[in-house]
Amino acid sequence: ETGVTQSPTHLIKTRGQQVTLRCSSQSGHNTVSWYQQALGQGPQFIFQYYREEENGRGNFPPRFSGLQFPNYSSELNVNALELDDSALYLCATTGGRHTDTQYFGPGTRLTVL
Amino acid sequence: ELKVEQNPLFLSMQEGKNYTIYCNYSTTSDRLYWYRQDPGKSLESLFVLLSNGAVKQEGRLMASLDTKARLSTLHITAAVHDLSATYFCAVERGAQKLVFGQGTRLTINP
Repeated sequence: ETGVTQSPTHLIKTRGQQVTLRCSSQSGHNTVSWYQQALGQGPQFIFQYYREEENGRGNFPPRFSGLQFPNYSSELNVNALELDDSALYLCATTGGRHTDTQYFGPGTRLTVL
Repeated sequence: ELKVEQNPLFLSMQEGKNYTIYCNYSTTSDRLYWYRQDPGKSLESLFVLLSNGAVKQEGRLMASLDTKARLSTLHITAAVHDLSATYFCAVERGAQKLVFGQGTRLTINP
C-alpha cells in the first residue's frame, strides 16, 4: 500500500471530449507528478506540482493541464481528447519522511474511441 | 536530452538461474530508481540508488549504480516464478522528475 489513490479506475471517452483524473495522497506529500504510460511503454513525465504550483513539465501539449490542492489532492485535465491519449495515467507523490521515493498510485486506464 | 535504455527488453529464463538487466543513461544523474510492474498494475518501488557505487539487495534482487559509466544493473539470483514481471529503471532529471527506460519484460519458467 502506497497511500496514493486515483479515480476513476477506468474511463472511456470519445475523441474531442474532455476528462479529469484525480489523485489523492498522504498528508505531507507535497510533490505530485503525473505520468502517461502507453501500452508496452515506460511511463512518460507529464508535469509536476509542488505546493500547488507547476514545477516542471514534460513534452506534452497545453491541452494537458493540472491542479494541486491544499489537501494534497491533485487533478489532471485533458482537453480535446485524441486517440493517442489512450493510456494508463499514473500519479506519483513524494514528501514526508521518505523524500527519496516516489509512491505511485494504481493508475487510471483511459480509453479514447 | 536524457535518454534511458534498458537491455534486454525481453527475457525468458528458467527457475534457479541467474541473470542481469542493464540500464544505461545518457547524461549525468545522481539518482536511479528500479520499479516492478505486474500486468495491469501500477509501479512498485524496488530500489533507490543515490550515489556512485551504491549497492542494494532485497531477497533475490540486487541493484548497483556506476555513475561514471552511467550504468545500473539489476541482478536476479536463483530466479523464481514470482519474479515474473516488467522491470523499469528510471533516472531523475531534476527534483523527482523521472525518465524511464522501455522496461524489461521478464518471464521465469518452471
